[in-house]
Amino acid sequence: GAVVSQHPSWVICKSGTSVKIECRSLDFQATTMFWYRQFPKQSLMLMATSNEGSKATYEQGVEKDKFLINHASLTLSTLTVTSAHPEDSSFYICSAESDRRRTEAFFGQGTRLTVV
Amino acid sequence: AQKITQTQPGMFVQEKEAVTLDCTYDTSDPSYGLFWYKQPSSGEMIFLIYQGSYDQQNATEGRYSLNFQKARKSANLVISASQLGDSAMYFCAMREGGSGTSYGKLTFGQGTILTVHP
Repeated sequence: GAVVSQHPSWVICKSGTSVKIECRSLDFQATTMFWYRQFPKQSLMLMATSNEGSKATYEQGVEKDKFLINHASLTLSTLTVTSAHPEDSSFYICSAESDRRRTEAFFGQGTRLTVV
Repeated sequence: AQKITQTQPGMFVQEKEAVTLDCTYDTSDPSYGLFWYKQPSSGEMIFLIYQGSYDQQNATEGRYSLNFQKARKSANLVISASQLGDSAMYFCAMREGGSGTSYGKLTFGQGTILTVHP
């Protein structure tokens, strides 16, 4: 089946630094990728929709300048958490859409970010 | 208004028994898809089953079946013969719209934590 790879799976960073998370579709072209954030024992909340070659569409309340999304190719989208603060600590997970299989959304393994 | 509602924060089931996880949804779009995902403690989202709004029959995938009641806007997940490895958080999700090349985002319910007892 289709595979989405997300890297890193976990990261610890200091307050004020930036962290980049990668989401790759390994065996299909993903014109659209989604970035979600999840707090412990809570639901996934959509942060933004990433379309290849265009600007990301952010959900209401998500700071565009803090969560930079780049979708430079059909197989790679990146989320950069800039000037991270402890409240940004969370589980971030991406999903990718395939043109041919719309009855399933493929998720990466997720990234657990801890800001100290 | 909540588009996807899972009213059971936690459920317990005995190993080898069946369990039903509830999900109701709200949409005015005639074309939509309903998904169930399993999320173990590792965090990965494991796709279980899909039901399209125009599908005539209830979806089934192995031990998983979806009890789709369109008029009631419910899409309950039934897990038969529960196993200890089924213990996890389960999410119901909906994607609205399905025509053309526009892809809708997935909206998730609050999730249900399922615990399978030996």
